[in-house]
Amino acid sequence: RKEVEQDPGPFNVPEGATVAFNCTYSNSASQSFFWYRQDCRKEPKLLMSVYSSGNEDGRFTAQLNRASQYISLLIRDSKLSDSATYLCAVNMVTGGFKTIFGAGTRLFVKA
Amino acid sequence: EPEVTQTPSHQVTQMGQEVILRCVPISNHLYFYWYRQILGQKVEFLVSFYNNEISEKSEIFDDQFSVERPDGSNFTLKIRSTKLEDSAMYFCASSGLAGSSYEQYFGPGTRLTVT
Repeated sequence: RKEVEQDPGPFNVPEGATVAFNCTYSNSASQSFFWYRQDCRKEPKLLMSVYSSGNEDGRFTAQLNRASQYISLLIRDSKLSDSATYLCAVNMVTGGFKTIFGAGTRLFVKA
Repeated sequence: EPEVTQTPSHQVTQMGQEVILRCVPISNHLYFYWYRQILGQKVEFLVSFYNNEISEKSEIFDDQFSVERPDGSNFTLKIRSTKLEDSAMYFCASSGLAGSSYEQYFGPGTRLTVT
């Protein structure tokens, strides 16, 4: 089983749609969780951290379920500019610390 | 807004040569990372670095690779005897301590092409 798994893509949605991304992790040493956005041939950019209490930033909402080892990202009122690949990332402390990224889910928002 | 910088943006090298990729992390950050991303594939963790030593490394980070923080600002990744399969985008990242959340900020990457 992969350490971090994401929904396979791509997701094709119209402008204004609500879209949800899911991510599961397998390692119980996982401590902190993030969503990143990556545009083509660019670096990952931090979108938001994910907390058990939920985290909202404008149109974006992230949730963490530690019991199910699952994180989610919801984008409301999709814009054309939201088109990108969305990566979940999990920080683990196993002696030292490392970060494992999911393979990403590609989102296409169309007019 | 402070940012992570990387040089060069593109490096072309011949198989068997050594390359050094350079990064300047955000100035008050304490944790530093290298990742690689082969074209069309996922972002892969290589190594994390804290307090002038490696904290964790992946199985990719073998004896061919080394990291160094030679002064108070630079963080380098050295790849010895490059192979064709080392061709990838290499990203540096840094993080401070923000409630232990380890939010990482990435540099723009160095595209390494091994011919």
